[in-house]
Amino acid sequence: DGGITQSPKYLFRKEGQNVTLSCEQNLNHDAMYWYRQDPGQGLRLIYYSQIVNDFQKGDIAEGYSVSREKKESFPLTVTSAQKNPTAFYLCASSSARSSGANVLTFGAGSRLTVL
Amino acid sequence: SQQGEEDPQALSIQEGENATMNCSYKTSINNLQWYRQNSGRGLVHLILIRSNEREKHSGRLRVTLDTSKKSSSLLITASRAADTASYFCATPGSARQLTFGSGTQLTVLP
Repeated sequence: DGGITQSPKYLFRKEGQNVTLSCEQNLNHDAMYWYRQDPGQGLRLIYYSQIVNDFQKGDIAEGYSVSREKKESFPLTVTSAQKNPTAFYLCASSSARSSGANVLTFGAGSRLTVL
Repeated sequence: SQQGEEDPQALSIQEGENATMNCSYKTSINNLQWYRQNSGRGLVHLILIRSNEREKHSGRLRVTLDTSKKSSSLLITASRAADTASYFCATPGSARQLTFGSGTQLTVLP
């Protein structure tokens, strides 16, 4: 089955530690995205990548880093510089054709809690 | 940057009733999408409406778009307990990313 796999589903981190959230897709999508969701809130864009080896900052990139070395993978690192990292993190992908609407497919999410 | 805003923030109805939620946005768009999120899960795409369409149907879903008022509505007819979820509208950003509203939490009571 084609889809997006995020891991781990739950993650606990001590203050001052970096953690990396995994996102893998087998949909052959060009574009991938990371969103953050806080309780009762909408989604805020952290980073996105439209092609391999290229990515752009979203609205709340500070304290986060990403890489896009393979088309299938877009890991997100939450660094110790992120002051309030406890949140639900969602990865998404899309075919990002030059024309037409950009419909996103989402993973199941990773919930990060800082202790 | 928040583009779409849903209204109401929360909605509670009885099973069998219709649920209507609204989305307002600020800038011109060429399409608008609605997504659903079950608690603690990822979002699932429901329906897309283009700027040259006024209404679109998919099963029990009906979406309208009024570009002059910069607003859209999502109607779920004959609601079921399984429709309980958060519903988000999404509009295109400057670089093909999507901007999501804050969502409407729908509770359908059995």
